Amino acid sequence: ETGVTQTPRHLVMGMTNKKSLKCEQHLGHNAMYWYKQSAKKPLELMFVYNFKEQTENNSVPSRFSPECPNSSHLFLHLHTLQPEDSALYLCASSATGTGNNEQFFGPGTRLTVL
Amino acid sequence: AQSVTQLDSQVPVFEEAPVELRCNYSSSVSVYLFWYVQYPNQGLQLLLKYLSGSTLVKGINGFEAEFNKSQTSFHLRKPSVHISDTAEYFCAVSPPNGNNDMRFGAGTRLTVKP
Repeated sequence: ETGVTQTPRHLVMGMTNKKSLKCEQHLGHNAMYWYKQSAKKPLELMFVYNFKEQTENNSVPSRFSPECPNSSHLFLHLHTLQPEDSALYLCASSATGTGNNEQFFGPGTRLTVL
Repeated sequence: AQSVTQLDSQVPVFEEAPVELRCNYSSSVSVYLFWYVQYPNQGLQLLLKYLSGSTLVKGINGFEAEFNKSQTSFHLRKPSVHISDTAEYFCAVSPPNGNNDMRFGAGTRLTVKP
């Protein structure tokens, strides 16, 4: 148990659907992250939130919309996705300002866009 | 900015043999270094990390890594692997400034054969 949970674990959606991915951390961390993991490619950092404020958006298309209502919860809202968006989406959290920088990951959501 | 290069995308090895997974980084400042492991259908789990001090770092599951500043490397080693070590291994680097900037390598797929 990593302390970071993600739901759903698997998601299949059409290009016209709207869905949301959820992440919750039980570690008391103040920073949360969304990563995209595609086959044969390095992890791509998508969004970073510090104390509920978005501090990084790595040129992610607007069809991905993050939401961080509090330091423990992070959502990724999806709409009008493309087949190339199929990937494993990983959530992570960390305690910034501790001098450690270690990130704790959830199990991921395997997304398939048809 | 930092970057990480994992020199081998796949490493096949027989059970009980030693293994080394190579990682080189590029940075103009001092760094923190990490190795993560990802088992099938799971998120990333921290194996070990170098923050400061002794350059030889011991982690979980019998793995260790050595920080070599002159060669900008942080290779991962295990003297005798098990079938259960079959997984994807990621090297990562971050600056020691407490922010969220962690960069991952493309990963090395370790396959342990009986």
